[in-house]
Amino acid sequence: DVVMTQSPLSLPVTLGQPASISCTSSQSLVHSDGNIYLSWFQQRPGQSPRRLIYKVSNRDSGVPDRFSGSGSGTDFTLKISRVEAEDVGVYYCMQGTYWLTFGGGTKVEIK
Amino acid sequence: EVQLVESGGGLVEPGGSLRISCVASGFTFSNAWMSWVRQSPGKGLEWIGRIKSTTDGGTIDYAAPVKGRFTISRDDSKNTLYLQMNSVKAEDTAVYYCTAEWGGGPAHWGQGTLVAVSS
Repeated sequence: DVVMTQSPLSLPVTLGQPASISCTSSQSLVHSDGNIYLSWFQQRPGQSPRRLIYKVSNRDSGVPDRFSGSGSGTDFTLKISRVEAEDVGVYYCMQGTYWLTFGGGTKVEIK
Repeated sequence: EVQLVESGGGLVEPGGSLRISCVASGFTFSNAWMSWVRQSPGKGLEWIGRIKSTTDGGTIDYAAPVKGRFTISRDDSKNTLYLQMNSVKAEDTAVYYCTAEWGGGPAHWGQGTLVAVSS
């Protein structure tokens, strides 16, 4: 099974400052069709998860452009260019190349 | 607007059964791959299974913890996804989310339905 490891577990950030979350997979996520099915999700307190990024770097509709995704192979990153108060929550990476597996989550909070 | 509305959650005794449903709207349900994802209290997200569209073969896959106990099905005429849960255990206690996949993963999520397993 593919294991997704996120770091850090907790990320205190200052409003207006950048933030970065890492995600590492236990094996390459390159699918036989050539795509890399790596997504990022945001779960605000008390809400359902919401997808932000799919296929490494594609933003879903309505997602602010301060969110960006990058990476290749086994190492991926979600960046928030300038953190806003509404960004508080837990962020999960997920691979969809071999069924679906989620990372353990990173809790983003304001300092 | 895409909507996924789960129902049927509740309290069930260990070893018992429960069926939860998800009614979809705002997209062509019959063409969609659908998954169930659960979240135990205070914990992370766990994929438990997927059913592909009928046109893609209708293949069903399950995660190891639920294989042989849970069954996913769909009724395209009713735009409804089902999760039949049998032989439930305490560790099945969770909020169960219905999701519609696109682009390699769950693009849309329902509000979730809570299943509590306790005697």
